Amino acid sequence: EVQLEESGGRLVQPGGSLRLSCAASGFTFSNYNMNWVRQAPGKGLEWVSYITSGSNIIYYADSVRGRFTISRDNDKNSLYLQMNSLRDEDTAVYYCTRTDYGDKWGQGTLVTVSS
Amino acid sequence: QAVVTQPSSLSASPGASASLTCTLRSDINVGPYRIYWYQQKPGSPPQYLLRYKSDSDKQQGSGVPSRFSGSKDASANAGILLISGLQSEDEADYYCMIWHNSASVFGGGTKLTVL
Repeated sequence: EVQLEESGGRLVQPGGSLRLSCAASGFTFSNYNMNWVRQAPGKGLEWVSYITSGSNIIYYADSVRGRFTISRDNDKNSLYLQMNSLRDEDTAVYYCTRTDYGDKWGQGTLVTVSS
Repeated sequence: QAVVTQPSSLSASPGASASLTCTLRSDINVGPYRIYWYQQKPGSPPQYLLRYKSDSDKQQGSGVPSRFSGSKDASANAGILLISGLQSEDEADYYCMIWHNSASVFGGGTKLTVL
């Protein structure tokens, strides 16, 4: 069974940093492109970042470019999102998704940015 | 103007059909784009439903009933998610997505009420 499990979300002050992780299982992680997608409380979906299977192509949303860094470790079947200079508007549930279009989603991890 | 626009809400009766639209900004021709559709119920992550570009380029998500189908309305510059034989369990938020200029773009979502 395909499983994606996000972790690392917590309360952090504005300007702070956080690293999210996504542990993948039930499929050959190294064969799949991956994304991070977020959802602010009561709001819609917002794509954050994309990374190809070999990490050779990476894209970011304008809202996070220069502050967030996506990476992966295929040996550990894990996807990461390093989040720096966090703002109130980064408060959201962060999902990792599989493939270019998100055929599978994790349950999400909540990041709250507040003083 | 947003790249992708969805009506915020739609109501339909059980057993009827519902047509959810995903309209692309007027300077973006829907023809070449794959339109992806997702369903999200309260408290759960989104689930991938299907992809539609043309009758020869479409994909149903794993386990997604055939009463969910995709199409396009070129005159409206829109992708369409058609749900036939509506059931109470179809009440949910529905999101469309396209890849545009190296970014994944979600519509704002449509809340479908079945009553």
